Amino acid sequence: AQSVTQLGSHVSVSEGALVLLRCNYSSSVPPYLFWYVQYPNQGLQLLLKYTTGATLVKGINGFEAEFKKSETSFHLTKPSAHMSDAAEYFCAVSESLDNDMRFGAGTRLTVKP
Amino acid sequence: EAGVVQSPRYKIIEKKQPVAFWCNPISGHNTLYWYLQNLGQGPELLIRYENEEAVDDSQLPKDRFSAERLKGVDSTLKIQPAELGDSAVYLCASSPGGKKSDTQYFGPGTRLTVL
Repeated sequence: AQSVTQLGSHVSVSEGALVLLRCNYSSSVPPYLFWYVQYPNQGLQLLLKYTTGATLVKGINGFEAEFKKSETSFHLTKPSAHMSDAAEYFCAVSESLDNDMRFGAGTRLTVKP
Repeated sequence: EAGVVQSPRYKIIEKKQPVAFWCNPISGHNTLYWYLQNLGQGPELLIRYENEEAVDDSQLPKDRFSAERLKGVDSTLKIQPAELGDSAVYLCASSPGGKKSDTQYFGPGTRLTVL
C-alpha cells in the first residue's frame, strides 16, 4: 500500500526566503503525486500534481515540485516566500487508477516578516 | 462556478447524541468523497461514491457511521451515537469521476466537537 512521509511538521521561513517542504512516498507502482494547501478554516486546495511526463511540475502561486523516482521524493519549493503562503501543506500519493489518495500528516508553514 | 458546499460549518454536541453532515458537490461531479481529518493530521478517506453507489467504504466505522447519496448528487454522513473521539473535521470532496486520481475539490469542512 502507498504511504507518504512529510519531514517536518513545522517549517518557518522569512519573507522572501526559499520555501522547501519535503515529501517522500512509498508506492509499489508509478505513483500519482499531489500537493494541497489548506488555509485556516478552509478546505484543501490543489497546488499541483504529477501524473506522467515532465518530472518538474509547476503549480499555482509560484510553487513547483520535482518528482525524483530514485529518491522517492516530491519536494515542494517556492523561490520567495510571501506572508500569504502561511498555511498547512499536504502531500498525497495515489497508485495509478485503482487506489484513492493517501495523505501525509501535513507541514505547517510559517512566514516571518 | 460554485465549489463544494458543506453544512453546518461547526457543530457541538454531547456524547451519545446523533449528528449529520451535509455535502453538495460541484455540479456535474460524479464522484464524492467523505474524509475525516483529526487535529494535526492529513485527511483520511471514509467513503467514496461513484454516482449513488458507495464503491469504497472500507474505512467507514459501520457500527456508528452511515452515509447516503440517494440521487447521486447531495450526500449525508451520519454518526449515531457520537463518541468523544469523533471530534474532528469532516471534509467532503468531489471530482468529475472516472479516474480515482483525478483532481479532488474540497469543501470547507464541518468541525465537530463532542463534549
